[in-house]
Amino acid sequence: KNEVEQSPQNLTAQEGEFITINCSYSVGISALHWLQQHPGGGIVSLFMLSSGKKKHGRLIATINIQEKHSSLHITASHPRDSAVYICAVKGNSNYQLIWGAGTKLIIKP
Amino acid sequence: DTGVSQDPRHKITKRGQNVTFRCDPISEHNRLYWYRQTLGQGPEFLTYFQNEAQLEKSRLLSDRFSAERPKGSFSTLEIQRTEQGDSAMYLCASSLDGFYNEQFFGPGTRLTVL
Repeated sequence: KNEVEQSPQNLTAQEGEFITINCSYSVGISALHWLQQHPGGGIVSLFMLSSGKKKHGRLIATINIQEKHSSLHITASHPRDSAVYICAVKGNSNYQLIWGAGTKLIIKP
Repeated sequence: DTGVSQDPRHKITKRGQNVTFRCDPISEHNRLYWYRQTLGQGPEFLTYFQNEAQLEKSRLLSDRFSAERPKGSFSTLEIQRTEQGDSAMYLCASSLDGFYNEQFFGPGTRLTVL
């Protein structure tokens, strides 16, 4: 079993829909990242959080430390949100990220 | 542009050749990380520097791989005697020191070994 599991692996939705991507992890962490990767490879950090909830524009990230679970929500989804969304956790060793396999999101107009 | 940069963006090479990639981190960041991402998979940690010191290497980093950060600024990742299995996206990230050290990523170098 991978240390970081994401679901779903693939998600296709219509423009405007509310999107939820889930991440569960099995290791002790000091922080959790949500990142976005567009075709071509570049990775952009969306959020880093260690508790509670963060919001940036139409993106919301939550984390439940006790349940070892995080969710990334996208409100009023748009085709430009189409990308791979990756969850990565920073362990207590403080030097590397442990990555999920990513969720490929396609938003259709 | 003050972000993380990587050069080249794409590299095509023949099996057995050596390749070298460069990463320039954000200037005030003293931590630098290398990751590898194969198609359809999430990135995997390769190695990490704090200033010029290489503090950790993954088991994925075979003897054919070497990374340096001689002056604590830019870093190079060299792969000797490339194999087809080395084909991947090589990602570099940098961060400040300290607990809340968010990593900022470069655009990656895509390596194709023929």
